[in-house]
Amino acid sequence: QSALTQPPSASGSPGQSVTITCTGSSSDVGDYDHVSWYQQHPGKAPKLMISEVSKRRSGVPDRFSGSKFGNTASLTVSGLQAEDEAAYYCTSYAGSNNFVVFGGGTKLTVL
Amino acid sequence: QITLKESGPTLVKPTQTLTLTCTFSGFSLSTSGVGVGWIRQPPGKALEWLALIFWNDDEHYNPSLRNRLTITKDTSKNQVLLTLADVDPVDTATYYCARAFYYIGAALSDWGQGTLVTVSS
Repeated sequence: QSALTQPPSASGSPGQSVTITCTGSSSDVGDYDHVSWYQQHPGKAPKLMISEVSKRRSGVPDRFSGSKFGNTASLTVSGLQAEDEAAYYCTSYAGSNNFVVFGGGTKLTVL
Repeated sequence: QITLKESGPTLVKPTQTLTLTCTFSGFSLSTSGVGVGWIRQPPGKALEWLALIFWNDDEHYNPSLRNRLTITKDTSKNQVLLTLADVDPVDTATYYCARAFYYIGAALSDWGQGTLVTVSS
């Protein structure tokens, strides 16, 4: 069981927006602004999309945005495109004991 | 250009020790804030963080696997090694190594292609 909770699936039509949530606790997401989001296409290595809650990595389209409220972080994909269909994982720094925790991943389908 | 590549056995027998090597280029593990981590993914399942080692020799392990894992680095060779003791078929997975940044919560900025390890007798 993953330390961070993500919905197993999400979907949207091309052009729509979809938001994926990542719920942790006051020991990780709620206590640190060190949430990252990764995109993974089938058979490929994950790719860092967002770090520090909302900072897009260079080259990542501004259709991708991140935010956080309390113990829940969110990834929003606006103007969905077919190439956005992938699995998305969140991670958070969790202090010196656990250090890093992962979410269970969300499969995003573009209808 | 930053590259990372995992290498090691593709098949390991139960109870054996698995040793994987991450060979990287384009960055140095002697640079402040830089680290290398290992992450695995069983077929069809989610990513699981295993271990991280940083420029200052700081090591961190997934608490659930801590007693079976060891991570070491050879800065001169640009390599990071991961050993996983007493393997079981549930350890069958694609193992990835990735560059990490300490000061932004160990965000994993660059990943290797991964190597599939099967545990079977």
